[in-house]
Amino acid sequence: DAKTTQPTSMDCAEGRAANLPCNHSTISGNEYVYWYRQIHSQGPQYIIHGLKNNETNEMASLIITEDRKSSTLILPHATLRDTAVYYCIVRGSQGGKLIFGQGTELSVKP
Amino acid sequence: GAVVSQHPSRVICKSGTSVKIECRSLDFQATTMFWYRQFPKQSLMLMATSNEGSKATYEQGVEKDKFLINHASLTLSTLTVTSAHPEDSSFYICSAPRVVAENEQFFGPGTRLTVL
Repeated sequence: DAKTTQPTSMDCAEGRAANLPCNHSTISGNEYVYWYRQIHSQGPQYIIHGLKNNETNEMASLIITEDRKSSTLILPHATLRDTAVYYCIVRGSQGGKLIFGQGTELSVKP
Repeated sequence: GAVVSQHPSRVICKSGTSVKIECRSLDFQATTMFWYRQFPKQSLMLMATSNEGSKATYEQGVEKDKFLINHASLTLSTLTVTSAHPEDSSFYICSAPRVVAENEQFFGPGTRLTVL
């Protein structure tokens, strides 16, 4: 599975959009981009995933560049409860294990 | 959404004792489950893949004789930390996909192990 690179930490004002970047320059054609988040002392929570097209669900939007070498997770209206570590993971289409990198620690501030 | 539970949520034990952690899929069957360990301020580290009806697959560097995994049914996997030592103190988390090839995995709430 391809390696991902994320900023260590980010701040966001409550009510504003949080844009979390992820680089995955070695991604291969059949690998998906997944986003999970982990609130302190809890298990990770699935957010969204995509292959080529941009995706949106009730939690977030995922924007994948045309060359698929990077992506951005967008939380449109961040709340204090969105404070967490966000993990960008690249994984093949066969499912199976998720390998976590260091993630981005997002702090949403009032 | 699907729910995965873990028991216990917290455990404190003496050095040298063994501790069993249960991971259950509550509303779906899981032929595969995954066990992770997380030290403070660090990311999740995959320890092993638990397979129903067959032996677990361990990641490199994880001692299979120390971390015993049993996937006894389609809804239960157990991780036993044998002869625990203070360095085994960690946050242990399991996960399971509803279907092996499914994109979304469901994580348990984690078990905090403290070895004195």
